[in-house]
Amino acid sequence: NAGVTQTPKFQVLKTGQSMTLQCAQDMNHEYMSWYRQDPGMGLRLIHYSVGAGITDQGEVPNGYNVSRSTTEDFPLRLLSAAPSQTSVYFCASSYSGQGPSYEQYFGPGTRLTVT
Amino acid sequence: KNEVEQSPQNLTAQEGEFITINCSYSVGISALHWLQQHPGGGIVSLFMLSSGKKKHGRLIATINIQEKHSSLHITASHPRDSAVYICAVRYWDTGNQFYFGTGTSLTVIP
Repeated sequence: NAGVTQTPKFQVLKTGQSMTLQCAQDMNHEYMSWYRQDPGMGLRLIHYSVGAGITDQGEVPNGYNVSRSTTEDFPLRLLSAAPSQTSVYFCASSYSGQGPSYEQYFGPGTRLTVT
Repeated sequence: KNEVEQSPQNLTAQEGEFITINCSYSVGISALHWLQQHPGGGIVSLFMLSSGKKKHGRLIATINIQEKHSSLHITASHPRDSAVYICAVRYWDTGNQFYFGTGTSLTVIP
């Protein structure tokens, strides 16, 4: 059971380049999400999905796209990278539902630098 | 909606000390999640609770729903406890979405 995996671990992009951050989970979780983590700020939600074919925007969606064609995979696309997107990106997943049984599991993170 | 406050922001302790990290929120929640992040590392779940108290080894988490407040305690602290501790809450009306505090950075000195 690999849990939540993310690739790559590190990436350097030039301004204007595009790329896809990969996220996969093998726990059959319905809910998946992408966060960015910046110094001095809490984790901020970029996009999330409640199941295959269903995605929605979070707090900071501009400049990012997502899709969810399978339960397992939830890639995050940067359309035209900007220095403001330099951050650490975390993917997370959980079962859908309220209450204390539905904890989130996080991937190891992707450290992205845009020059 | 995102009014999750943690205190203190930074904490330095001597090895063996009892540590308390606090988290407060503004409206009713369905669950509260305590997470740990070591420097340069991933994010690990410690506890998820909606009432009462949970204990795992030297870590204890409590929540007071009426006061909208949770505490994370570490007994007999150790340098390996040095990490950022993050509080996150899930509100009843926002489905699975979590809202995060900015974290408490703990350093335990030998």
